Amino acid sequence: NAGVTQTPKFQVLKTGQSMTLQCAQDMNHNSMYWYRQDPGMGLRLIYYSASEGTTDKGEVPNGYNVSRLNKREFSLRLESAAPSQTSVYFCASSVRGRGPTNEKLFFGSGTQLSVL
Amino acid sequence: GENVEQHPSTLSVQEGDSAVIKCTYSDSASNYFPWYKQELGKRPQLIIDIRSNVGEKKDQRIAVTLNKTAKHFSLHITETQPEDSAVYFCAASPTGNQFYFGTGTSLTVIP
Repeated sequence: NAGVTQTPKFQVLKTGQSMTLQCAQDMNHNSMYWYRQDPGMGLRLIYYSASEGTTDKGEVPNGYNVSRLNKREFSLRLESAAPSQTSVYFCASSVRGRGPTNEKLFFGSGTQLSVL
Repeated sequence: GENVEQHPSTLSVQEGDSAVIKCTYSDSASNYFPWYKQELGKRPQLIIDIRSNVGEKKDQRIAVTLNKTAKHFSLHITETQPEDSAVYFCAASPTGNQFYFGTGTSLTVIP
């Protein structure tokens, strides 16, 4: 099992450009997440999907859109990139869907994004 | 929403000493508290977690304690080794899907 796979690993964009970060998991997990990591800010949730066909906003959703393409794949799109979106992006998954029980997160290897 | 505060932001200890990292949370509905370790350039990985119906959990040199009344939880690493050097994140989860992370503690173990 590859676990959680993210692409690309590195990306440089100019302000105003668009791009999509791809994420796929092969663990048959129900929930998938997109986090951004900034120095001194920890990990902040952008969007999550508790099951195929559903998505919900997290703490910092502005400037982003997501698509849960199927159970395996969850993509993050920046429609018009801004320098404030320079960050490291992590995709994650967990086995649970909607409901009260929490489960551990499995993270991808991250995408280093720079917006100039 | 939930607010998780983590202290200290940096911590240096001599090899063999103990390290303690503390977190507080605000939402009394939070019932799951995981700790993640992130080595330089790597992804965060779960090292230990605790649920609200337990006060303490131990796994070899790592232990976590939880005080629900005071809304704080702590990570304890004993007999530290150089390979323990990393950034550690605490988190709190009030639901099955939302995880709120602290700002991280950079631990350096000096040989």
